[in-house]
Amino acid sequence: DTGVSQDPRHKITKRGQNVTFRCDPISEHNRLYWYRQTLGQGPEFLTYFQNEAQLEKSRLLSDRFSAERPKGSFSTLEIQRTEQGDSAMYLCASSSKGQLYTGELFFGEGSRLTVL
Amino acid sequence: RKEVEQDPGPFNVPEGATVAFNCTYSNSASQSFFWYRQDCRKEPKLLMSVYSSGNEDGRFTAQLNRASQYISLLIRDSKLSDSATYLCVVNLFSGGYNKLIFGAGTRLAVHP
Repeated sequence: DTGVSQDPRHKITKRGQNVTFRCDPISEHNRLYWYRQTLGQGPEFLTYFQNEAQLEKSRLLSDRFSAERPKGSFSTLEIQRTEQGDSAMYLCASSSKGQLYTGELFFGEGSRLTVL
Repeated sequence: RKEVEQDPGPFNVPEGATVAFNCTYSNSASQSFFWYRQDCRKEPKLLMSVYSSGNEDGRFTAQLNRASQYISLLIRDSKLSDSATYLCVVNLFSGGYNKLIFGAGTRLAVHP
């Protein structure tokens, strides 16, 4: 399978714990995005990487959130001191430059976080 | 105000019906426009782009009105398999970069 893969698919944690999600994009894609989706809402933009550079962070991304893409390949999204409001589906997507102009982001199946 | 607004639905229609979804966007700097489809508990996938002149893909027709900042999607001859959430998406150039902004989605349920 050469699509976008995310791990873990599901994570249940207690409030205050740290969690980390991993995303492996399609190998030839240099652009990587993190979105968050809650029930009844569309995906909300969190952050964007071009190769290893993090080019934009949404105001939604508080100081408890950090994302990295150290070698321009896989990315991690860490949430520190989780809160119940962090419960959501965290979606990773990738694209090449040309595909962005055609609107095609390739999404992974997401990592569902439940904070108790 | 949200950057992309859609009627959440649900739209409950019988098979064979024609159904239309509307979407408005607030940022006139939006460069390009798309409809995505998201099945229940699945990831979003690109359905089609939206061009100013209007465009068709089989039973699906998309329209854009830049002056009114309005986008539409028409589905003719609805099938049971069309049941999904339809996300209106704009490509916004902001801060020197392009990013896709999603609406909250319109839910469609097609029944026999």
